[in-house]
Parts: sequence; structure tokens; C-alpha cells
Amino acid sequence: GQNIDQPTEMTATEGAIVQINCTYQTSGFNGLFWYQQHAGEAPTFLSYNVLDGLEEKGRFSSFLSRSKGYSYLLLKELQMKDSASYLCAVIPQAGTALIFGKGTTLSVSS
Amino acid sequence: GAVVSQHPSRVICKSGTSVKIECRSLDFQATTMFWYRQFPKKSLMLMATSNEGSKATYEQGVEKDKFLINHASLTLSTLTVTSAHPEDSSFYICSASIQVNTEAFFGQGTRLTVV
Repeated sequence: GQNIDQPTEMTATEGAIVQINCTYQTSGFNGLFWYQQHAGEAPTFLSYNVLDGLEEKGRFSSFLSRSKGYSYLLLKELQMKDSASYLCAVIPQAGTALIFGKGTTLSVSS
Repeated sequence: GAVVSQHPSRVICKSGTSVKIECRSLDFQATTMFWYRQFPKKSLMLMATSNEGSKATYEQGVEKDKFLINHASLTLSTLTVTSAHPEDSSFYICSASIQVNTEAFFGQGTRLTVV
């Protein structure tokens, strides 16, 4: 079966840095995605990793270690608007659907 | 950027009726689209893979006779919830990718409430 684990909830304060971890055990691996989802809205794309290492995009960075089945999303200089659910997703085989973790609800306070 | 449009965004229907949800790729052709369902505070669960010109592939536990999927063109897939019941109330979202293994673009989602 497919299994993607991430913490259920996290809290942080404005201006801080937060790291959201994701571990996966899937039948195959063709890439890992991070999405942001605000309540009642569709997910929006944040990052994509297929090779080991760190991908940086502005305030957001994502890291992947395929040998460990592990990824993290790093959010810097947190803002109130970053309060949302963050979804880790894996494509097990080429051309198949994304398989999502349960999501991590991040609450940013002032 | 690529856009996937989903309609309607909200629908309320009576028990026993059917509801059709449309998913369109606006500026690209999508031979494959995916339908997900999301319950409150839960993750997206894949329901089925919609293939243009052929039958959809359903995930285990999803009733194909209840959730009818039609992918008649390269830009349109429809999900029809037949004989809806209150337990079918959920957030339904479609997605499509321009190329294999690239980011999935999501529709706006449809909030279905069955009363």
C-alpha cells in the first residue's frame, strides 16, 4: 500500500522559520510535491522534488532524500497568510495520480 | 499558467437526485484527469482516474455505478454523483497535468451538500 506521513498540526509565530516533515513508503517514486491549501479552496502548487537535495523558491524550500523516503518543506519569514494546510504528495508511477498525505495544519500567530 | 476550471463551485441537492460536476482544462489538452474527494479536515482521497476515450479507473471502495465519470474530449471530464445521499456530501476536486510527472493543476473544487 501507499503511506505518506506528516504531522497533523504545527504552530509558529510571525517571522519565524518552520519545517514540516514528510515520510513516505510507496510502491514506486516518480516525484514528490508540496501543496498549500486554505480552507474551502483547492490546493496550490508549492514545490516539486524528484532528485535528492534542496530546492529553494523564495521563502519556501523543499528537501528530498529518496534513500530515506523523507522530505521537508521549510517556510521562512512566516506571515499570517501562511496559516494553511500543507500537503505532501507522491507520484508512485509515471502518469498516475498524486497520492496525498493527510496534511499539516500550520497556524501562524502574531 | 495552465488552468483547470471546475463547475459548479457549490451545489445543494435533495437526496435521491443526481449531480453533475464538470472539469475543464482551459489551455491544454488532458488525456488523463483525476477526481478526488476531501472530507472536512481530511486529506484528498483519489476516487478515480478519468481517461479520454476510455473507461475510468476507480480506486478500491469507490462505486463506479454511483460516481459516473465521462471523459468525452481532451478538455472535459465530468463526474456525476447518482442517487446522492447525505453521506456523499463532500468537497470534490479534479486535477490534470500538462505532462506526465509534472505538477497537477487543480480545479476550484465543488462543495456538494445533499439534504
